[in-house]
Amino acid sequence: GAVVSQHPSWVICKSGTSVKIECRSLDFQATTMFWYRQFPKQSLMLMATSNEGSKATYEQGVEKDKFLINHASLTLSTLTVTSAHPEDSSFYICSAREWEGSNQPQHFGDGTRLSIL
Amino acid sequence: AQSVTQPDIHITVSEGASLELRCNYSYGATPYLFWYVQSPGQGLQLLLKYFSGDTLVQGIKGFEAEFKRSQSSFNLRKPSVHWSDAAEYFCAVSGNKLVFGAGTILRVKS
Repeated sequence: GAVVSQHPSWVICKSGTSVKIECRSLDFQATTMFWYRQFPKQSLMLMATSNEGSKATYEQGVEKDKFLINHASLTLSTLTVTSAHPEDSSFYICSAREWEGSNQPQHFGDGTRLSIL
Repeated sequence: AQSVTQPDIHITVSEGASLELRCNYSYGATPYLFWYVQSPGQGLQLLLKYFSGDTLVQGIKGFEAEFKRSQSSFNLRKPSVHWSDAAEYFCAVSGNKLVFGAGTILRVKS
């Protein structure tokens, strides 16, 4: 149980285009989902917390106009990287909790490798 | 603010040998602690978690971890490492958000 699916797993696109990444909880409902960014050989950095039916909460230093988050249903959150540039190239990972509460583990998708040319 | 330190960036062990990965945390309240494993190019898989009760917790794939409040540690152990255990391991503490350590890359020699 507690499977999180992320799509696409890999995307290459030209500078200036927008890219949408989907995160789905397959066998549970998630009122909260999380988006992380991971640079090569580094740890995960929380970008934002996605809340179903309301605005996302962004971490300090993350541009909300650059990284648009929509959590339209209890099983789907999307991250759109708008007008992507090479510096946005990274590994993006989403997660969700099956049960609410900070003592509950987050379950992670397999990540999306984004390469901007 | 919560933080996690994983002192070892890389560890190499021989297949069949025992393993211990170190993790120290900083958090003002009762910590909720997790160990995750990440294979190259993939997401994170939960190995085990601690939030109360027995300080020795068992996880998947034969891993265990021991919570020591006096040392602010939550070290991960495995008695006999298999080649398939080669991956990167992250310790994390959860307060108002999940904070990860820098990770430890495990290499297994055959």
